Amino acid sequence: QVQLVESGGGLVKPGGSLRLSCAASGFTFSDYYMSWIRQAPGKGLEWVSYISSSGSTIYYADSVKGRFTISRDNAKNSLYLQMNSLRAEDTAVYYCAREKYSSSSSPFDYWGQGTLVTVSS
Amino acid sequence: SYVLTQPPSVSVAPGKTARITCGGNNIGSKSVHWYQQKPGQAPVLVIYYDSDRPSGIPERFSGSNSGNTATLTISRVEAGDEADYYCQVWDSSSDHPGWVFGGGTKLTVL
Repeated sequence: QVQLVESGGGLVKPGGSLRLSCAASGFTFSDYYMSWIRQAPGKGLEWVSYISSSGSTIYYADSVKGRFTISRDNAKNSLYLQMNSLRAEDTAVYYCAREKYSSSSSPFDYWGQGTLVTVSS
Repeated sequence: SYVLTQPPSVSVAPGKTARITCGGNNIGSKSVHWYQQKPGQAPVLVIYYDSDRPSGIPERFSGSNSGNTATLTISRVEAGDEADYYCQVWDSSSDHPGWVFGGGTKLTVL
């Protein structure tokens, strides 16, 4: 069965860095586009970043552009999010999600359980 | 950037029909997806490409999209439908494309 398991969250000081990982299993990871989505405590969903199946196409939300870097290792069935220059407003649960089809505007059919990132001094 | 507007809350009695709207400029020209999120859980896809239903989602869930409004309709509402619902579209109109979510609607079953 399809599984997405995030890890790497934790408490970090403002200005610090953190690297999130998403381990995928139960499907051919290299065939699918992936995204990171976050949810601040008590708030709605916010898309963070997208990467195509080969990694050749990448997009970021304006709120993280220049600070976050998405990447993937298809040989390791893993998705990553390198987060630098973290701010208090980056505090959120971070989810990785799989797009159902390898085409633009395809919905997210599987989500991980999320990993909590807290940015605080 | 593209903006999706949802009502913060919708209340409905059990057995009745709930309608959750998602407003956006000419949203009818885009494909809309809907997610259900219960407290402490990851979102679950309930409607995709405006009106398609994933396997395992009850037929009580349906969707439509036209003009400036997309609508998620839940018929014969049950207590277990109480959750937050989010609409989503892909915004390709700007020079940096990306996913856009609505602000979410809390469905309360009275």
